[in-house]
Amino acid sequence: DSGVTQTPKHLITATGQRVTLRCSPRSGDLSVYWYQQSLDQGLQFLIQYYNGEERAKGNILERFSAQQFPDLHSELNLSSLELGDSALYFCASSVGEGESAGNTIYFGEGSWLTVV
Amino acid sequence: AQKITQTQPGMFVQEKEAVTLDCTYDTSDPSYGLFWYKQPSSGEMIFLIYQGSYDQQNATEGRYSLNFQKARKSANLVISASQLGDSAMYFCAMREGPRYSGAGSYQLTFGKGTKLSVIP
Repeated sequence: DSGVTQTPKHLITATGQRVTLRCSPRSGDLSVYWYQQSLDQGLQFLIQYYNGEERAKGNILERFSAQQFPDLHSELNLSSLELGDSALYFCASSVGEGESAGNTIYFGEGSWLTVV
Repeated sequence: AQKITQTQPGMFVQEKEAVTLDCTYDTSDPSYGLFWYKQPSSGEMIFLIYQGSYDQQNATEGRYSLNFQKARKSANLVISASQLGDSAMYFCAMREGPRYSGAGSYQLTFGKGTKLSVIP
């Protein structure tokens, strides 16, 4: 158990809909990262939050957005869903700063999204 | 250019034998970190081992060791005494940038993975 909790584990929704994926980082971790894993693109970094603020952006579509709340949990919002958005979405967390920052990055079990 | 290259799409290994999964990387940053993750068929991404660019010794974690050859820019994962439960996808990943940059961004770039199958 990595200590990173993601919900839901599986989600099936229709094109054009909006979904929210939730992530609770490991206790003490201030940074949260979102990744997308699809068959054609592999694992891609989407976005990072550190202590409530956006820290870095990767290949995140404009239809997608995220936020990190004061209790450090994070949500990834996916809207106007398309078939191609079907993927496994991971949340990862790390301490964020200090000696062990950047060398321990743990992933949650992922949220399987299927768009039909 | 690919930042992380895993040249073996699939590998087979006999149970109890050792296996080496290849990973080469490309970066001009003097400070970086290399990670290996295991992804079983159930989908979760399990952290296995980490090697920092300034670490003098190769990282080891139980049956996992990382053969770090900095000049060749390679970071191969060695699994000793393979078990049936080791059958999975294995991903090499790199974090570029210093560890001590305060609240840095430690996003990872992943390779395409190697599917390891352990044969009884």
